[in-house]
Amino acid sequence: DTGVSQDPRHKITKRGQNVTFRCDPISEHNRLYWYRQTLGQGPEFLTYFQNEAQLEKSRLLSDRFSAERPKGSFSTLEIQRTEQGDSAMYLCASSLAGGPSEQFFGPGTRLTVL
Amino acid sequence: AQSVTQPDIHITVSEGASLELRCNYSYGATPYLFWYVQSPGQGLQLLLKYFSGDTLVQGIKGFEAEFKRSQSSFNLRKPSVHWSDAAEYFCAVGGSEYGNKLVFGAGTILRVKS
Repeated sequence: DTGVSQDPRHKITKRGQNVTFRCDPISEHNRLYWYRQTLGQGPEFLTYFQNEAQLEKSRLLSDRFSAERPKGSFSTLEIQRTEQGDSAMYLCASSLAGGPSEQFFGPGTRLTVL
Repeated sequence: AQSVTQPDIHITVSEGASLELRCNYSYGATPYLFWYVQSPGQGLQLLLKYFSGDTLVQGIKGFEAEFKRSQSSFNLRKPSVHWSDAAEYFCAVGGSEYGNKLVFGAGTILRVKS
């Protein structure tokens, strides 16, 4: 297994455009998490899935953000009508469910909104 | 509410010197504790974790951490720092009561001088 992968690694967009990011977790992991990291800060939790069910969303996740994990494998995070404040690194992580487990992180997608 | 405090934003140590990075947490249940390292523009790599049992845990790259419940601390240590250890270090807390989502500190940037 090659670990968690994310695509694209970098995205530059203009304000008001929509963007979509993809995350492919470690294949046997049934939990998938999205975090956002801004400069000088630690990652902040956005949402997580167990299999295809989205179990929790942070209040950071405004109605412009939507995440899916349609078949319990890869996940997408879409941001509609991007704003400059959305510029950040978006990190995906996966883990096993049931009991304590570590999260394995992908390399992240760096979003720049002009 | 869950929170993590890393009091030191930057630390500079000489190569070969010992290192201690501080982490204090606030958590309303049995905490799972983690230290991650992040190189510039990269995702997070797990250094070590504490779930239960022995309060002194060993990790990769010669790092160790000690869980002190009475002080709500989980400080990271290394007896002899190498230039390649220069990076940003994040302490995180999570637990099954909160879906295992992680709450991160703001990070400590480690600089190593030769």
